Amino acid sequence: QVQLQESGPGLVKPSETLFLTCSVSGTSVSTGAHYWSWIRQSPERGLEWIGHVFFTGSTEYSPSLKSRVTISVDRSKDQFSLRLTSVTAADSAVYFCARDGGYSLEYWGQGRPVTVSS
Amino acid sequence: EIVLTQSPGTLSLSPGERATLSCRASQNVGNGALAWFQQKPGQAPRLLIYGETARASGTPDRFSGSGFGTDFTLTISRLEPEDFAVYYCHQYSTSRTFGQGTKVEIK
Repeated sequence: QVQLQESGPGLVKPSETLFLTCSVSGTSVSTGAHYWSWIRQSPERGLEWIGHVFFTGSTEYSPSLKSRVTISVDRSKDQFSLRLTSVTAADSAVYFCARDGGYSLEYWGQGRPVTVSS
Repeated sequence: EIVLTQSPGTLSLSPGERATLSCRASQNVGNGALAWFQQKPGQAPRLLIYGETARASGTPDRFSGSGFGTDFTLTISRLEPEDFAVYYCHQYSTSRTFGQGTKVEIK
């Protein structure tokens, strides 16, 4: 059974860096058939795709976030991570990790609420 | 970026009725790369339809997707109580984007 679980701080100060990790079980990030994705959701912006990483480390990001985002994969731990720099209140959201394969975003984590506040 | 516009914003219907949800893309969505998700409060979105028309595992056959190019529709043939939720379309043809959602509420 494929499961994904987000972890990381729930509170980040403005101008600092948000860092979240997604742990994968029931499958491996090293399979060549999937992208490993981050999506966020807020009342103001709705669902927003952030980007994804392939097991090789190649990435694609949303144009609106590209300058501040890094997504990386750790194959030894079956994890992938999100790094978002220079956060503001507008980055407060529930952050989801998900597996994106031939069936689109088939598996999601439960979501990690993150608040940006001093 | 492909912008997806969903309509209506809210659909008020009774159990047993038919629901028709629309998703319009600002550009052609190629390769049939259009999906639909259902989301209930406090939960992650759940994949219902991918490839414009294919039901994901566990999706009841009362849900159907149709459309082509820039205009897509999700139809729920007869609403069950558990179908009242928010529905999002999502394109994965050019980068990835989501629509803003349609809420299906009990009338």
